[in-house]
Amino acid sequence: EIVMTQSPGTLSVSPGERVTLSCRASQRVSSDLAWYQQKPGQAPRLLIYGASTRATGIPARFRGSGSETEFTLTISSLQSEDFAFYYCQQYYSWVTFGGGTKVEI
Amino acid sequence: QVQLFQSGAELRKPGASVKVSCRASGYTFTNFGVSWVRQAPGRGLEWMGWNSADNYNTRYAEKFEGRLSLTTDSSTSTAYMELRSLRSDDTALYFCARDRASRVDYLDYWGQGTLVTVSS
Repeated sequence: EIVMTQSPGTLSVSPGERVTLSCRASQRVSSDLAWYQQKPGQAPRLLIYGASTRATGIPARFRGSGSETEFTLTISSLQSEDFAFYYCQQYYSWVTFGGGTKVEI
Repeated sequence: QVQLFQSGAELRKPGASVKVSCRASGYTFTNFGVSWVRQAPGRGLEWMGWNSADNYNTRYAEKFEGRLSLTTDSSTSTAYMELRSLRSDDTALYFCARDRASRVDYLDYWGQGTLVTVSS
């Protein structure tokens, strides 16, 4: 099983700041990597797939990058609605999710 | 628009089974697959398995092998997740999500979630 490790576990930031979230795969996953945002009581929302392609309707402030084992989600200027949990997912070899990063004020 | 609508909350005793449904609309059901993901209280996302909407291909995460069944009914555009021999640590919010028909992929649309509580 491919293990996905996200860091940090929690990120305390202020609105307007630039945020960088990391996701590391235990094996190469090519670009088969997605990012999701989840708010309490809601289903996850797809942000990025193919490591860097924004899903439909996702603002340009969300940017995904990386390949193989190292991936990054960058939020260029954090908005109040961006405070949430973020998960990475590899789908190169079946599916595994990272443990998540909480972005809080 | 694409929507996935799941059945309501369930309460089961340890050792029992539960079957959750996920009705799809807004797209051609048989052109896609369905993955199931669960989330225990205060925990992260855990992938359980996938199947193609035509039922020809199914894959279960290793930890669920033997007690998980994923099926679909293309006549009603509905996917089903049945989990048997329930334990207290199966208490979680269970999600269905649209996937690719031929293999697992990113999950672009999700159901609202079904809370399954296992308690004596």
